Amino acid sequence: KAGVTQTPRYLIKTRGQQVTLSCSPISGHRSVSWYQQTPGQGLQFLFEYFSETQRNKGNFPGRFSGRQFSNSRSEMNVSTLELGDSALYLCASSLGREGQPQHFGDGTRLSIL
Amino acid sequence: EDQVTQSPEALRLQEGESSSLNCSYTVSGLRGLFWYRQDPGKGPEFLFTLYSAGEEKEKERLKATLTKKESFLHITAPKPEDSATYLCAAPQTGANNLFFGTGTRLTVIP
Repeated sequence: KAGVTQTPRYLIKTRGQQVTLSCSPISGHRSVSWYQQTPGQGLQFLFEYFSETQRNKGNFPGRFSGRQFSNSRSEMNVSTLELGDSALYLCASSLGREGQPQHFGDGTRLSIL
Repeated sequence: EDQVTQSPEALRLQEGESSSLNCSYTVSGLRGLFWYRQDPGKGPEFLFTLYSAGEEKEKERLKATLTKKESFLHITAPKPEDSATYLCAAPQTGANNLFFGTGTRLTVIP
């Protein structure tokens, strides 16, 4: 069974640009969550999508947005990039039911110059 | 306020030297306590879910246990390939997203 796939694996951008990251969940999983991981802050929740609707959102500025498609694939967009956005962005999928584990992809490493 | 705290921050063990990692939590109505392993450059890999106090789960050299206030990840006779960062997490109250501890970075020396 294929795991969670994230593309691209690495990205280098400059300040002010925007970026789109992609996530393909495990087949049958309807929930996709996005997390930001940095050495200083650890893993922090960005947002969750379930059946194409944003179900929950973390404490990040509006520059961070996402969407989910009918096949459960999800994209995350960051506009007006700042140096502090450099991080590993992780996508996780699950069945979406309470108490079910989330399964993570290997992330997209975003570096802002 | 929901909180998950892990200790120690880092742990160095000799191969074969057993030890335990700690995860203390403050969550209203716990709906699962999750353990993950993360290798450098990779995403977290799911290990265990524990749902109620007294529950235990095992996988190879790892055993996770849960009390009403904390969870332990016991590592028996570790090998160098067990070196990784171990993360614990719990669902936020009233939501499905996880909030994570800062992890324990385990190094097993041959």
